[in-house]
Amino acid sequence: KNEVEQSPQNLTAQEGEFITINCSYSVGISALHWLQQHPGGGIVSLFMLSSGKKKHGRLIATINIQEKHSSLHITASHPRDSAVYICAVSNTDKLIFGTGTRLQVFP
Amino acid sequence: ETGVTQSPTHLIKTRGQQVTLRCSSQSGHNTVSWYQQALGQGPQFIFQYYREEENGRGNFPPRFSGLQFPNYSSELNVNALELDDSALYLCASRLDRGTDTQYFGPGTRLTVL
Repeated sequence: KNEVEQSPQNLTAQEGEFITINCSYSVGISALHWLQQHPGGGIVSLFMLSSGKKKHGRLIATINIQEKHSSLHITASHPRDSAVYICAVSNTDKLIFGTGTRLQVFP
Repeated sequence: ETGVTQSPTHLIKTRGQQVTLRCSSQSGHNTVSWYQQALGQGPQFIFQYYREEENGRGNFPPRFSGLQFPNYSSELNVNALELDDSALYLCASRLDRGTDTQYFGPGTRLTVL
């Protein structure tokens, strides 16, 4: 079993839909990261959080430390949100990554 | 733009060859980590360098080695390339070991034939 699990693996949505991607982890962490990866490989950090909730534009990330679970929400999704979203946790000075959720948003 | 660059962007090698991948971190970032991302998978931690010394290693054999230089650049060297080494190699730098915010480079895509 992977130390960081994401669901779903693949997600398709119509423009405007509300999207939720889930992440659960089984190790101790100092922080949880949500990352975005576009075709070609470059990774962009969206959020880093250790408690509560953060919001940036149409993106919202929440974490429940007791349940070892985090969610990434995208409101009013847009085709430019199409990418792979990766959850990663900071553990003993390294990042442990989930396998990613591939999101496609159609107009 | 994260301020982290990698070179080359793409590389093709044959089995048994050696390869050196390069990363240039943000100025002042004394910690750099390298990750291997196979197709369709999440990145896997290879190792981390802090102030020019290896400071943590994932489950990779010794033919994966690295160097970090005082000018905030670093290298990943892979000897005796195998087909399974084909992947995207990412470096990520951060200000210090104790900080969590990492800045990723665009990656080098290595293909081993």
